Amino acid sequence: DTAVSQTPKYLVTQMGNDKSIKCEQNLGHDTMYWYKQDSKKFLKIMFSYNNKELIINETVPNRFSPKSPDKAHLNLHINSLELGDSAVYFCASSQRTSGRLTYEQYFGPGTRLTVT
Amino acid sequence: QQQVKQSPQSLIVQKGGISIINCAYENTAFDYFPWYQQFPGKGPALLIAIRPDVSEKKEGRFTISFNKSAKQFSLHIMDSQPGDSATYFCAARYYQGAQKLVFGQGTRLTINP
Repeated sequence: DTAVSQTPKYLVTQMGNDKSIKCEQNLGHDTMYWYKQDSKKFLKIMFSYNNKELIINETVPNRFSPKSPDKAHLNLHINSLELGDSAVYFCASSQRTSGRLTYEQYFGPGTRLTVT
Repeated sequence: QQQVKQSPQSLIVQKGGISIINCAYENTAFDYFPWYQQFPGKGPALLIAIRPDVSEKKEGRFTISFNKSAKQFSLHIMDSQPGDSATYFCAARYYQGAQKLVFGQGTRLTINP
C-alpha cells in the first residue's frame, strides 16, 4: 500500500534512555516532516527535510536529532529522554512547495512515546 | 502571531444536525487553510481546504466558510453522522523558505445516534 509508515507504533522507555523512531514514505514525495502531538492533542511541527536537507528546524531541544538517509526515509533520534517528551510523534510527507504552490501533507499513523 | 485559535474544544451534535467549528488567525501571511480529520489511533488526514481569495468551499457534506476581513474561517458539517465523530483540526499555512502548517488546538466532535 502507498502510505507513510512509522515504527514502532508504541514506545515505552525510562528517563535518560536514547530511542529512535523510523519513518518511511512510498508516495514519491521529496519533503518529510516530524510533528509532535502533546497530551492535549496540540500538533506542532518540529522538523522538515527536503531531499535529505534540513529546511525547517523549530525550537526543539538539541536532544532531538532528525536524520534523513534518503528522501523516502526520515528518522528521529532522541537522547536522554525526559518525562516531557511523552507524546505522539507523527511523520508526514509532501511534495516540496515553492511560494504559493501548496501540496497536501500526508501523515503517518503516529508513534506513541511514553517516558517513565 | 503564528497562532490559530480554534473553538469549541469539544462538541456534541445529534445525528442529522449541523456541526460548526470555528477558527481565527492573526497572521496575514497565511495563504492556505486546510482542515484535518483525525480518528483515534490514526494520523490526521486532509478533509477540505480553502484559499483566502474564496469565501466558501463545499465538498459533499463539508463546507468551509472564510471571512478574510475578520480573519476567521469555519467548518460546517451538514447532516452529521456518527462516523463523523473524530477530532478536527483547522490549520493555516505560510511559506518561509518552506511550507509551514500551524494547527489549531483541535475539536473533539461526537455525533450521537
